Amino acid sequence: DTEVTQTPKHLVMGMTNKKSLKCEQHMGHRAMYWYKQKAKKPPELMFVYSYEKLSINESVPSRFSPECPNSSLLNLHLHALQPEDSALYLCASSQGARGFRNTIYFGEGSWLTVV
Amino acid sequence: ILNVEQSPQSLHVQEGDSTNFTCSFPSSNFYALHWYRWETAKSPEALFVMTLNGDEKKKGRISATLNTKEGYSYLYIKGSQPEDSATYLCAFLPIYNQGGKLIFGQGTELSVKP
Repeated sequence: DTEVTQTPKHLVMGMTNKKSLKCEQHMGHRAMYWYKQKAKKPPELMFVYSYEKLSINESVPSRFSPECPNSSLLNLHLHALQPEDSALYLCASSQGARGFRNTIYFGEGSWLTVV
Repeated sequence: ILNVEQSPQSLHVQEGDSTNFTCSFPSSNFYALHWYRWETAKSPEALFVMTLNGDEKKKGRISATLNTKEGYSYLYIKGSQPEDSATYLCAFLPIYNQGGKLIFGQGTELSVKP
């Protein structure tokens, strides 16, 4: 099983809503990531969790709140988003984050539209 | 700011053509270079993780080379097929950023016509 599963695939939310994106992997990976991709731009790293602890936060606004309940799950809680936050949000995992020559496995992404 | 540049931005070829594209990255502080293949509506698929200068890796009809001293990697596709149509992304990892912050290029969008 080499899958990273993301739900939902599509989400439309208002600027006052609270919603969450979910990500799951069962490959025993200990590093998990959130990336954001806007159209025609490269994916940009948002957060890295290593062994269930937040190791990198790329100065992401607090309206995005990551959570890693266990080594298989990664959530991204969304609150008071802006229309410019509309993007594809990609989850990924790898065996580890240190000595980073490991292959990263990506999910299909969650398309978020903020209205 | 680290820049990873890919060229060309898009490429249209006929089935059977061989093609190649380039990823340029900073030649200092190199740790690893990743190549991904991303088909529309699917997840990015890892092709290669390259770490050593002079590395050559192959996966079926796709191969890649790495020159860390001059800061570039080539991806080659031999005898392109319509199913090779995808965006090909490279991602650079500098040695001081082993925490997992890959720096992606903008990708080369390949379209293979039957």
